[in-house]
Amino acid sequence: KAGVTQTPRYLIKTRGQQVTLSCSPISGHRSVSWYQQTPGQGLQFLFEYFSETQRNKGNFPGRFSGRQFSNSRSEMNVSTLELGDSALYLCASSLVTVRTEAFFGQGTRLTVV
Amino acid sequence: AQRVTQPEKLLSVFKGAPVELKCNYSYSGSPELFWYVQYSRQRLQLLLRHISRESIKGFTADLNKGETSFHLKKPFAQEEDSAMYYCALMGVSNFGNEKLTFGTGTRLTIIP
Repeated sequence: KAGVTQTPRYLIKTRGQQVTLSCSPISGHRSVSWYQQTPGQGLQFLFEYFSETQRNKGNFPGRFSGRQFSNSRSEMNVSTLELGDSALYLCASSLVTVRTEAFFGQGTRLTVV
Repeated sequence: AQRVTQPEKLLSVFKGAPVELKCNYSYSGSPELFWYVQYSRQRLQLLLRHISRESIKGFTADLNKGETSFHLKKPFAQEEDSAMYYCALMGVSNFGNEKLTFGTGTRLTIIP
């Protein structure tokens, strides 16, 4: 069974630009969560989607947004990039909720210059 | 609000010695706790959850509600245990849905 796939793996963007990251969950999984991972802050929750609806949201500014499609694939968008947005962005999928188990992708390494 | 604290960013232990990674939590409801592990160049993955009370790779963790702790323990460390360990709490968010909150992680290094 294929795991969670995130694309692209690496990305370099300039301040002020916007970026879209993609996540394909494990087949059959309907919940997709996004996290920002940095050395200083660890894993911080961004948002969670279930059946195309945002079900949970973390404490990130409105520049961070996401969506989920009918096939459960999810995208995350960051507009007006700042240097501090440089991080590893992880996506995790779960069957229904994270109560069962969250399966993580390998992440997208975003560098803002 | 839910919060997970891992007080040690780095922990070095000799091979064969006991390991304890500390985790404390703050949550007003009845929590479910997890330990996730990330080995070098691998994905973050579930190690164990308190509700199943199982031992994985020799690791155990007991939920202590009185001390609001969920420390991860192993009696004899092995070199392959070197990894980043995250404690996580599943609680109900302000949106009324289940949400995983992670600690900042502890990097465990086993010294040969």
